[in-house]
Amino acid sequence: DVQLLESGGGLVQPGGSLRLSCAASGFTFSSYAMNWVRQAPGKGLEWVSVIGVSGRYEHYADSVKGRFTISRDNSNNTLYLQMNSLRVEDTAVYYCARESGGFDYWGQGTLVTVS
Amino acid sequence: QAGLTQPPSVSKGLRQTATLTCTGNSNNVGDEGVAWMQQHQGHPPKLLSYRNNNRPSGISERLSASRSGNTASLTITGLQPEDEADYYCSAWDSSLSAWVFGGGTKLTVL
Repeated sequence: DVQLLESGGGLVQPGGSLRLSCAASGFTFSSYAMNWVRQAPGKGLEWVSVIGVSGRYEHYADSVKGRFTISRDNSNNTLYLQMNSLRVEDTAVYYCARESGGFDYWGQGTLVTVS
Repeated sequence: QAGLTQPPSVSKGLRQTATLTCTGNSNNVGDEGVAWMQQHQGHPPKLLSYRNNNRPSGISERLSASRSGNTASLTITGLQPEDEADYYCSAWDSSLSAWVFGGGTKLTVL
């Protein structure tokens, strides 16, 4: 079965940093683009970033550009999100999601609280 | 980045048909099409359809998606209590090089 397991969330002060990880299993990780999507408490979904299959391309939402960096380690089937200069408005559950036409598999999410 | 437009809420009766809409532009909805997701409270989203009307395995045939120009629709027939959830559309925006989401529609089954 496809599984995505996020970790690394927690409480951080404004201006601080966090690194999220997403461990993938049950599929050929290196064959899929991967995304981070977040959801602020009581709000809708907001796309954050995508990385291509071999890291060939990266794209970011305007709201995080210059502060967040997406990366992947295909040898260890892991997706990362380095988050710097965190703001209160970055508070959200962060999901990693596999991309295949849409976001076909999601992790359970990890909560990031900036306060 | 401008998002897609969805009505905030739709209410329909049990066993009725609900049609949810998602409006964008020629760079997103009108280009590569839309994916629809369902999210129950406290759970991650679940993909219902992609590229307008492709259903992943295990998704009920009561759901169908379509697109006309820059507006996409998700139709759910024979509404059941478990259909009550938040529904989101998303599309790749070729001009922004970004995924864009709709604000979500809360479907209430009366």
